[in-house]
Amino acid sequence: SQTIHQWPATLVQPVGSPLSLECTVEGTSNPNLYWYRQAAGRGLQLLFYSVGIGQISSEVPQNLSASRPQDRQFILSSKKLLLSDSGFYLCAGYLLRNTEAFFGQGTRLTVV
Amino acid sequence: GQQLNQSPQSMFIQEGEDVSMNCTSSSIFNTWLWYKQEPGEGPVLLIALYKAGELTSNGRLTAQFGITRKDSFLNISASIPSDVGIYFCAGRPTTYQLTFGKGTKLSVIP
Repeated sequence: SQTIHQWPATLVQPVGSPLSLECTVEGTSNPNLYWYRQAAGRGLQLLFYSVGIGQISSEVPQNLSASRPQDRQFILSSKKLLLSDSGFYLCAGYLLRNTEAFFGQGTRLTVV
Repeated sequence: GQQLNQSPQSMFIQEGEDVSMNCTSSSIFNTWLWYKQEPGEGPVLLIALYKAGELTSNGRLTAQFGITRKDSFLNISASIPSDVGIYFCAGRPTTYQLTFGKGTKLSVIP
């Protein structure tokens, strides 16, 4: 079955520090991958999506960037974190022939 | 991007009551999905709908894909305490995008 692994589960980082969140996929190949941010336990804001290696589409201008160095790896990064970057980050994926998106367990990021 | 209007934002119901929530969009969607999220977890898919008019059940949950393809609803019958969580609708406006509603927070009073 398809599984998404995200780590770390929780992260506390100081303002101005860099960020790297990793998402890996098991059980499928060539998935479309997504990064969402959820603030205050409500609403999922799409940040980036990728349809293949090296292909990134940004939905919202922000302090973050994404990369897809391998088919099953999707990375969310920042060079300098802001307080407003705090939130719950979710990685999701799906195959075109299976329209049911599956999610990772999420990373709770607190910027202090 | 696309916007989904999900209502109600929150619900407090008595255990055993039925629940109904819905999503509407100004655009046509080809797929409607319903997810449930528990605190600190990622959303889990409950029901997927692929055809206008489709009515699908998963245990006590029933969801329908509106015939206009611009709306969907989710019903939960005979609610129980473990139904608490945030329920999200999601729709696919294009092949690659998946847009979520803002969620309905459900609280069940024993």
